[in-house]
Amino acid sequence: AQKVTQAQTEISVVEKEDVTLDCVYETRDTTYYLFWYKQPPSGELVFLIRRNSFDEQNEISGRYSWNFQKSTSSFNFTITASQVVDSAVYFCALSEARSGTYKYIFGTGTRLKVLA
Amino acid sequence: GAVVSQHPSRVICKSGTSVKIECRSLDFQATTMFWYRQFPKKSLMLMATSNEGSKATYEQGVEKDKFLINHASLTLSTLTVTSAHPEDSSFYICSARFLNGQGARDTQYFGPGTRLTVL
Repeated sequence: AQKVTQAQTEISVVEKEDVTLDCVYETRDTTYYLFWYKQPPSGELVFLIRRNSFDEQNEISGRYSWNFQKSTSSFNFTITASQVVDSAVYFCALSEARSGTYKYIFGTGTRLKVLA
Repeated sequence: GAVVSQHPSRVICKSGTSVKIECRSLDFQATTMFWYRQFPKKSLMLMATSNEGSKATYEQGVEKDKFLINHASLTLSTLTVTSAHPEDSSFYICSARFLNGQGARDTQYFGPGTRLTVL
């Protein structure tokens, strides 16, 4: 069965600290996609990254970086030098290609609080 | 990038009335739109998948007659909450998946959400 686990419910850090948000997934598909979204207090989900199952390269975008490891079924997200504006709920999601529906399985989200 | 809008952003209504929420993809054509519901401090719960010109596919436990979905064009899907009751109060979010070449086709782009309060 497909499943996405974000074990960290809430994390608080002080500004400028680095923080890693964990995401572990389960799927039987060999072709799948993983995503991270940010949901600030305004409510809109902001797309951060998409990764397909055949691309295990880590990615860096400014202060954000992602570590995809198929061996551990993890797709972790690190924010370097966190800022107050990073405070939000972050969701990891899985989409399986086989189903053809492109439905997402969402994790329960991690609430990040960055304190000034 | 792809942009999805929702209208209204916030609605307060009396119990028993129906409320329509619009989801529009701006500048892009959406093959599929999804409707989610989110309770406070919870994850998103998929309600239904909507494909242009066909009936929506509802998730288990979602009442079709209660939550009417129409996807009349490639840029517009609507969700109507019929005979709303206080327990229908929630944050409703739509997302769109675009035609090939307009964003990654397996990626959903989300609208800003509609907060419904039923008194």
